[in-house]
Amino acid sequence: QKEVEQDPGPLSVPEGAIVSLNCTYSNSAFQYFMWYRQYSRKGPELLMYTYSSGNKEDGRFTAQVDKSSKYISLFIRDSQPSDSATYLCARYILTGGGNKLTFGTGTQLKVEL
Amino acid sequence: NAGVTQTPKFRVLKTGQSMTLLCAQDMNHEYMYWYRQDPGMGLRLIHYSVGEGTTAKGEVPDGYNVSRLKKQNFLLGLESAAPSQTSVYFCASSARDYNEQFFGPGTRLTVL
Repeated sequence: QKEVEQDPGPLSVPEGAIVSLNCTYSNSAFQYFMWYRQYSRKGPELLMYTYSSGNKEDGRFTAQVDKSSKYISLFIRDSQPSDSATYLCARYILTGGGNKLTFGTGTQLKVEL
Repeated sequence: NAGVTQTPKFRVLKTGQSMTLLCAQDMNHEYMYWYRQDPGMGLRLIHYSVGEGTTAKGEVPDGYNVSRLKKQNFLLGLESAAPSQTSVYFCASSARDYNEQFFGPGTRLTVL
């Protein structure tokens, strides 16, 4: 089982829709989670990060972590064509054996007019 | 303030050829990383550096070497390229190992 799993999509939604992007993770450790956005033929850029549990909101974006089900989500409200990109979830683990950042494979999102 | 830059943007190699990818950052970051990104595999860490003069292996280091002679530069070398090394290579940097990583625009490498 991969440490972080993500549905690759593609996911296509109409402009203005609420988008839900999800990842599952294995293992439990002291950790925090990040969402990166990657436009086509560009490098990833950090969108949001959140610690082990709860929600974090930033404008139209909300990151949520559900520890009981090992599920992390990114919600995008009032989606725009400019949100069309690949979204990568990532998990950072602090362990005695060395810290580790693991990325999901990414979900491709297309917001259509 | 350019952030993280990568040279070259594209390259085509024949099997067995060698090349060096250059990464430069102007944010005075201590940590630098080299990743490869392949369809269905996500970003995988090749090598990283926690400071000038240091390097360490990541998840997929075989076939690659790195050097960090100057704090702002991190070089990735392929001594004898193989078709399996066809990928998009990203360099990243961060102030600390748990801080936000800033990525470069990537280098698309094809090995024939």
